[in-house]
Amino acid sequence: AQTVTQSQPEMSVQEAETVTLSCTYDTSESDYYLFWYKQPPSRQMILVIRQEAYKQQNATENRFSVNFQKAAKSFSLKISDSQLGDAAMYFCALGVETSGSRLTFGEGTQLTVNP
Amino acid sequence: ETGVTQTPRHLVMGMTNKKSLKCEQHLGHNAMYWYKQSAKKPLELMFVYNFKEQTENNSVPSRFSPECPNSSLLNLHLHALQPEDSALYLCASSQEQGFEQFFGPGTRLTVL
Repeated sequence: AQTVTQSQPEMSVQEAETVTLSCTYDTSESDYYLFWYKQPPSRQMILVIRQEAYKQQNATENRFSVNFQKAAKSFSLKISDSQLGDAAMYFCALGVETSGSRLTFGEGTQLTVNP
Repeated sequence: ETGVTQTPRHLVMGMTNKKSLKCEQHLGHNAMYWYKQSAKKPLELMFVYNFKEQTENNSVPSRFSPECPNSSLLNLHLHALQPEDSALYLCASSQEQGFEQFFGPGTRLTVL
């Protein structure tokens, strides 16, 4: 079975500052994928970034980057130059090959961006 | 229409009503999903369909009945719901083994 844990129910950051959201996971599989999804007040879930476990290089997408520590089973999301529009619930998710296309989601971290 | 669409966006129903939620994906994907999102709980996967066939049912009560007429459409028929079924219902789709799931805007369901 797979588990995903987000230990920070809430985080806040000042506009233009950097914030890191934590995620740890557990799986016995060697082939898997990790994702960060964003859910703003509109409730639309939006894919932020994706990381394949076999890739050592950390994924980046504009102001969003991850710190993937495979041995520690850690997958944190760093948001640089935070903007008011980044305020949302952020979910970490894990997908493994043997589970087909099923994803396991964490409980989410509510990010507030202060002007 | 692009992406994943869901109708209606809001639904209020009584415990004796029968209603349906509709989801359509315009992405050419082969897998579709229903999730339930309740306050202060993780997303709960309800059903998975691959190539129109149901491949997963996570012990969902029979008052929820999914239907997949084709690989682009996924319905969720609701009957005799309970107040605790009030939640945001999210539909998503993905390539069969692509893992990246694309979500619809959700239906906010309230059961009175």
